[in-house]
Amino acid sequence: GIQVEQSPPDLILQEGANSTLRCNFSDSVNNLQWFHQNPWGQLINLFYIPSGTKQNGRLSATTVATERYSLLYISSSQTTDSGVYFCAAFGDYKLSFGAGTTVTVRA
Amino acid sequence: DGGITQSPKYLFRKEGQNVTLSCEQNLNHDAMYWYRQDPGQGLRLIYYSQIVNDFQKGDIAEGYSVSREKKESFPLTVTSAQKNPTAFYLCASSHGTGSYEQYFGPGTRLTVT
Repeated sequence: GIQVEQSPPDLILQEGANSTLRCNFSDSVNNLQWFHQNPWGQLINLFYIPSGTKQNGRLSATTVATERYSLLYISSSQTTDSGVYFCAAFGDYKLSFGAGTTVTVRA
Repeated sequence: DGGITQSPKYLFRKEGQNVTLSCEQNLNHDAMYWYRQDPGQGLRLIYYSQIVNDFQKGDIAEGYSVSREKKESFPLTVTSAQKNPTAFYLCASSHGTGSYEQYFGPGTRLTVT
């Protein structure tokens, strides 16, 4: 199956700071999704982004499929952005998840 | 409101007992999935189903069983053969099993002692 690596594993931010999370994947993919897992465990869909760039409020994502990576940008971070961010790549019949980036935003 | 529901939220069982986790969706999705998440890790696929009365094993199917008798329901049974059943279980659905966007339920935390 596809290997998905996320970096950094942990990120501590001061409120208002910007950050970039990275997701590398080992093979061609048909789909890439970014999720935010809240403290109760719910996975919230952030982006469905097989290629290109999308923006949603303070969050944006870019996937460069030919170079096998995707980036998630968080701008003007808020304490509510804390949690674990997962990327997942679809290939070989299934969605493969990375280990996640744990983001902590301090007030 | 359309969505995916899972019940119960928390489940406690004694070792050696089978337990069934519920997953229901009203999104009219054809495909449904079960994932397992262990602390500090990503999700791993247990089983998936493309249509009613059909399902396929994922990466870690041993010790689990599923059924898909209705489009909106995909229950997961954790059997006594599962060696380490304590985990967080998440159900998902999508329009199809290709590269469609998957949506997740709120999860069930299972603790087996």
